[in-house]
Amino acid sequence: DVKVTQSSRYLVKRTGEKVFLECVQDMDHENMFWYRQDPGLGLRLIYFSYDVKMKEKGDIPEGYSVSREKKERFSLILESASTNQTSMYLCASSLDRAESPLHFGNGTRLTVT
Amino acid sequence: AQRVTQPEKLLSVFKGAPVELKCNYSYSGSPELFWYVQYSRQRLQLLLRHISRESIKGFTADLNKGETSFHLKKPFAQEEDSAMYYCALIEDGSRLTFGEGTQLTVNP
Repeated sequence: DVKVTQSSRYLVKRTGEKVFLECVQDMDHENMFWYRQDPGLGLRLIYFSYDVKMKEKGDIPEGYSVSREKKERFSLILESASTNQTSMYLCASSLDRAESPLHFGNGTRLTVT
Repeated sequence: AQRVTQPEKLLSVFKGAPVELKCNYSYSGSPELFWYVQYSRQRLQLLLRHISRESIKGFTADLNKGETSFHLKKPFAQEEDSAMYYCALIEDGSRLTFGEGTQLTVNP
C-alpha cells in the first residue's frame, strides 16, 4: 500500500517565519503535488513535480516555493509566512500515467499567527 | 475560470434515501474525471473514476458530455457514506483540478 507521509500534523508559526513542510512517499512515484484545502474552496494546487529537480506552478503558487532533490521527497516552503497561509496542506503522489490515482498524506494543519 | 464546480456545499439526506452529488466541468478536450472522498479523520482517497465504469460502495457516476456533468449517485444512502466528496478533472497530463467539495451527511 502506498504511503505518503507528511512530517507534521500540526504546525504553528509566526508571521514572517520561513516554514518547511516535508512530504515523503515510498512507492517510487514520479509525480508529487502540494495542495491546500480550505472550506468552500476545495483543494487548490500550489505546485507539482513530474520528476526530480523539476517543478511546475499550480493555480496558487504565490508566496510558496518547492524543492525536489530526491524522487521520494517533495518539500513545500513558505518563504515568509502570512496569516492568509493558515490552512490544511495536503501532499499527494501518483504514478506517471494520466489516469493514475493520487495518494494523499494525512495533511499538515498550519496556523500562522 | 473554475473548471470543476460542485454547486452544493452541504447535502443532507436520510438513511435509505437516494443521493446525488452534482459535479459540472469545463474542459475543451476529452475529460478524465474522478470522485475522491474524505471520511472523518481519514486521508483523502479515490472513490471512483469514470474510465473504470465501476460501482464502488454502491456509488456510480456517469459522464454526460452533453451536459458536461459527472454526478455521483447512490440509490440508498448509508450513515457511513457521510463524508466530504470532491469531484476532480485531469488537465495537462497528471495534474488534477478539484471542485469545491460537497459535505454529505446521512441522518439515521
